[in-house]
Amino acid sequence: GDSVTQMEGPVTLSEEAFLTINCTYTATGYPSLFWYVQYPGEGLQLLLKATKADDKGSNKGFEATYRKETTSFHLEKGSVQVSDSAVYFCALRRAGRRALTFGSGTRLQVQP
Amino acid sequence: GAVVSQHPSWVICKSGTSVKIECRSLDFQATTMFWYRQFPKQSLMLMATSNEGSKATYEQGVEKDKFLINHASLTLSTLTVTSAHPEDSSFYICSATTSSGGTDTQYFGPGTRLTVL
Repeated sequence: GDSVTQMEGPVTLSEEAFLTINCTYTATGYPSLFWYVQYPGEGLQLLLKATKADDKGSNKGFEATYRKETTSFHLEKGSVQVSDSAVYFCALRRAGRRALTFGSGTRLQVQP
Repeated sequence: GAVVSQHPSWVICKSGTSVKIECRSLDFQATTMFWYRQFPKQSLMLMATSNEGSKATYEQGVEKDKFLINHASLTLSTLTVTSAHPEDSSFYICSATTSSGGTDTQYFGPGTRLTVL
């Protein structure tokens, strides 16, 4: 079945450091890929998405590229801020299906 | 943006009792709502898909009679955990979808933490 694997956290960085959170997936066909972010006490929010191979999703300085050859969708940001501290979830949605399959989440802690 | 609320945000109950969790879309009509369950340090696991006015579709391994889902209107879905036991303790999250331009967008509630004593 479908699955998403992402790096375990927590990831602790200093402000302005470079961020990478790895995500790989297993799925049949060509799924859409997503990154969601969950701030403390809030629901998951869509951060970015990509719907086909080589697409790059971007938002708020975060980027991720849909790599079919490596079945990956790694999240990157060039310079993190304290306000980026949250839990990040990688997810996929198989074509023709509305529900999402999530990774286990990675907690990011950014220190001033 | 679209907002989804859940009530209560946390609940503690005795073993054998039933607990109802509400999921509401506050400023949009949701044709479909999803219920997820999250264990500590694990991913969200889909429990069921709920379409307004019809029976919910449960994922394999989820007991229909234990987790009753009702989607009576386009803004409200409820999950009732019947005869709860300590192993049902978990974080329950709902999401609601609205189709815009043919693209589904899911909006998530903040979750409900259930503790069964």
